[in-house]
Amino acid sequence: AQTVTQSQPEMSVQEAETVTLSCTYDTSENNYYLFWYKQPPSRQMILVIRQEAYKQQNATENRFSVNFQKAAKSFSLKISDSQLGDTAMYFCAFMKHGGGGFKTIFGAGTRLFVKA
Amino acid sequence: KAGVTQTPRYLIKTRGQQVTLSCSPISGHRSVSWYQQTPGQGLQFLFEYFSETQRNKGNFPGRFSGRQFSNSRSEMNVSTLELGDSALYLCASSFGGGLETHSYEQYFGPGTRLTVT
Repeated sequence: AQTVTQSQPEMSVQEAETVTLSCTYDTSENNYYLFWYKQPPSRQMILVIRQEAYKQQNATENRFSVNFQKAAKSFSLKISDSQLGDTAMYFCAFMKHGGGGFKTIFGAGTRLFVKA
Repeated sequence: KAGVTQTPRYLIKTRGQQVTLSCSPISGHRSVSWYQQTPGQGLQFLFEYFSETQRNKGNFPGRFSGRQFSNSRSEMNVSTLELGDSALYLCASSFGGGLETHSYEQYFGPGTRLTVT
């Protein structure tokens, strides 16, 4: 069975600085997708960034980038120039495509506080 | 384009009752997945529907069931409610793995907060 581990329950960062959130996963699959989702307090879950496992190039989306190490099964999220609006719960997620459909496994989450 | 909508947003039920939650996906999306979010267990996958068929399911008891209609709207039903069923229930929609770019990407609704007393 697949598992996703986020070892940092809480983190804080000063506004405008850079922070890295860690995520490791365990799977025997070769084709899968990885995601980081953001869930602001009392607000909707939104997709931050995606990575297809077959792509070696690390995904980037504006201030957000990932360090995808397939052999090490590691998928960390780097947030550059942190903003107050980045304060949220961040979830790492693993999606496998099997049985004709999708199944997503989430990590426990990392609560990020951005301080002014 | 309208996002994923879920109704109702809040619900209070008593033990033993049953409840039905509804999810309307983004227009054009044919896949709907359901998740249970609790402080103790985090986000757990319940099931995924595509074109009215359940394609995948998580490890939940048979009290949890779902269905999807021809317009891709989905409902989730929980029978014989237990206190432990209190949670935020999220649904997410996607194109479902077709030819569209990033067809596997899920977009989440705001959730239905269920409280069982």
